Amino acid sequence: EDKVVQSPLSLVVHEGDTVTLNCSYEVTNFRSLLWYKQEKKAPTFLFMLTSSGIEKKSGRLSSILDKKELFSILNITATQTGDSAIYLCAVGAFVGNNFNKFYFGSGTKLNVKP
Amino acid sequence: DAGITQSPRYKITETGRQVTLMCHQTWSHSYMFWYRQDLGHGLRLIYYSAAADITDKGEVPDGYVVSRSKTENFPLTLESATRSQTSVYFCASGAGVGELFFGEGSRLTVL
Repeated sequence: EDKVVQSPLSLVVHEGDTVTLNCSYEVTNFRSLLWYKQEKKAPTFLFMLTSSGIEKKSGRLSSILDKKELFSILNITATQTGDSAIYLCAVGAFVGNNFNKFYFGSGTKLNVKP
Repeated sequence: DAGITQSPRYKITETGRQVTLMCHQTWSHSYMFWYRQDLGHGLRLIYYSAAADITDKGEVPDGYVVSRSKTENFPLTLESATRSQTSVYFCASGAGVGELFFGEGSRLTVL
């Protein structure tokens, strides 16, 4: 059975801290791993990773994929209260005809306190 | 405006009633998805569609019906709503192997 597991489920930190969110997966026909940020509405896209060892970076956020060990991490440095959200990991599985079906983890709820 | 819109945003219904959640996208994406989000479960795939008239089941399809007669629309119907279907429903679309774009969600309460 295909599955995506995120840890920790929740995390409380103070502004300025650095956090690492984890995503492990067991998905047949892996094609890509995506990270989303969800505040009180729709998830918004952060990164898509397809190759091992290549870091994707956007401001204070960065992510890397290890396809051998089947996991990814999302790092947030110098956290701010605006980083408080649920962070979702999704794995795309190749279904056919250049199409991915996405499996989501249960998310990590991050609370950044002032 | 371009994007993906869901309606209604909020719905309260009673057990046994039929409910349809609408999803409309303006990008002409081939692929569309319905997810439900419940505490502790993240997003679970209900149904997906690769093109007009092509749909398939996801992880939790029981109790739901979809159709896709036009590329831009992907309605989700609960034929006889149950309390366990109380959830937040997200529609998403994508061009294929890239990212998904999500609607704002429809919060459904079944009494």
